[in-house]
Amino acid sequence: KNQVEQSPQSLIILEGKNCTLQCNYTVSPFSNLRWYKQDTGRGPVSLTIMTFSENTKSNGRYTATLDADTKQSSLHITASQLSDSASYICVVRNTDKLIFGTGTRLQVFP
Amino acid sequence: DAMVIQNPRYQVTQFGKPVTLSCSQTLNHNVMYWYQQKSSQAPKLLFHYYDKDFNNEADTPDNFQSRRPNTSFCFLDIRSPGLGDAAMYLCATSRGPGTGGRTDTQYFGPGTRLTVL
Repeated sequence: KNQVEQSPQSLIILEGKNCTLQCNYTVSPFSNLRWYKQDTGRGPVSLTIMTFSENTKSNGRYTATLDADTKQSSLHITASQLSDSASYICVVRNTDKLIFGTGTRLQVFP
Repeated sequence: DAMVIQNPRYQVTQFGKPVTLSCSQTLNHNVMYWYQQKSSQAPKLLFHYYDKDFNNEADTPDNFQSRRPNTSFCFLDIRSPGLGDAAMYLCATSRGPGTGGRTDTQYFGPGTRLTVL
């Protein structure tokens, strides 16, 4: 069964600290993996996308990694800011569908 | 700016009273999607249009219908909303397979929060 699991479910950190979010998937065939940021009450916004041959991709303070062998991805946030408070959703695409994880809820406190 | 627009942002309806949610796009994308997202859950695809071709997900209830009168607009009709239909409804668009390849990006609107009383 195609599944995307994320951990932790929620995370609280202090402003300025780093954090890493995890994503494990069992999607086949694999097309690409994307991390989305979803602010409360808003639609998801794409942060990074990686295909099978890519193992790291950065977007400002966000760095995503992909290990296609172990079917794991991580999203690392450096020097967190209050505006990073949001849900982060890992989405894996197979041939024609997006498989969504349930997200990690990140709260950044001053 | 090119974007995906959803109206209204918040919709309150009564149990059993039909409601229509609207989505428009200025991206000229071929594909438009409707997702349902309940609290603390992942978005769930209801259906999508590839141009005029309607594609319904197998587990989407008959209570949910959609219309796409032209490229720019797509509507979600809920014929008889139940309490369990209260959710955020997200519209998304993409250029479509074959145009964006394996990295075909879906662009989401801000969502419509539906409350059923």
